[in-house]
Amino acid sequence: QQQVRQSSQSLTVWEGETAILNCSYENSAFDYFPWYQQFPGEGPALLIAIRSVSDKKEDGRFTIFFNKREKNLSLHIKDSQPGDSATYFCAASYNAPRFGAGTKLSVKP
Amino acid sequence: NAGVIQTPRHKVTGKGQEATLWCEPISGHSAVFWYRQTIVQGLEFLTYFRNQAPIDDSGMPKERFSAQMPNQSHSTLKIQSTQPQDSAVYLCASSHRDRAAEQFFGPGTRLTVL
Repeated sequence: QQQVRQSSQSLTVWEGETAILNCSYENSAFDYFPWYQQFPGEGPALLIAIRSVSDKKEDGRFTIFFNKREKNLSLHIKDSQPGDSATYFCAASYNAPRFGAGTKLSVKP
Repeated sequence: NAGVIQTPRHKVTGKGQEATLWCEPISGHSAVFWYRQTIVQGLEFLTYFRNQAPIDDSGMPKERFSAQMPNQSHSTLKIQSTQPQDSAVYLCASSHRDRAAEQFFGPGTRLTVL
């Protein structure tokens, strides 16, 4: 069964808009939530991560909002650029991470 | 500083043949992970080693798939009697022992079973 769910398989935004990618999880034991970014032909790369004791983590244009009670989180990409077009994976971990199915983001110029 | 190295990058096998995929983790990383990626299933966890010992193989298919880590510098994933449904990109990742969720992925091996 899917322990980590990403609500959209794909998302398209215009350049300059904020892209919002949503994720939910089932296991309350998960305490660390990384997001990975993957470009075609490459492996995923760690983008930003949050611990369950926090409700927000910001790194430049990327922000994670985390709701422990609702078991969901979202990745906001502010001022989206065409170079942000990639697949984004939400993951949840207390040991080895489990990944969501990914959201393919397309940013149109 | 080289990242995770996976060889070969592409492998084509006939149905029923064996495939062995290699992974060289980042030097100093003691945790190694294997994943399978397909369009339909996404990124599936297969197995995980820490200090060369198998820790979690809950994602490994019970038949035909096996993984080993004979030394700290490489791990192998072996698929016996390959089937077309095994076609996927197989990804290896490594991390520091205590930071399993902060993984560094290799570029993957694309396996095609004809």
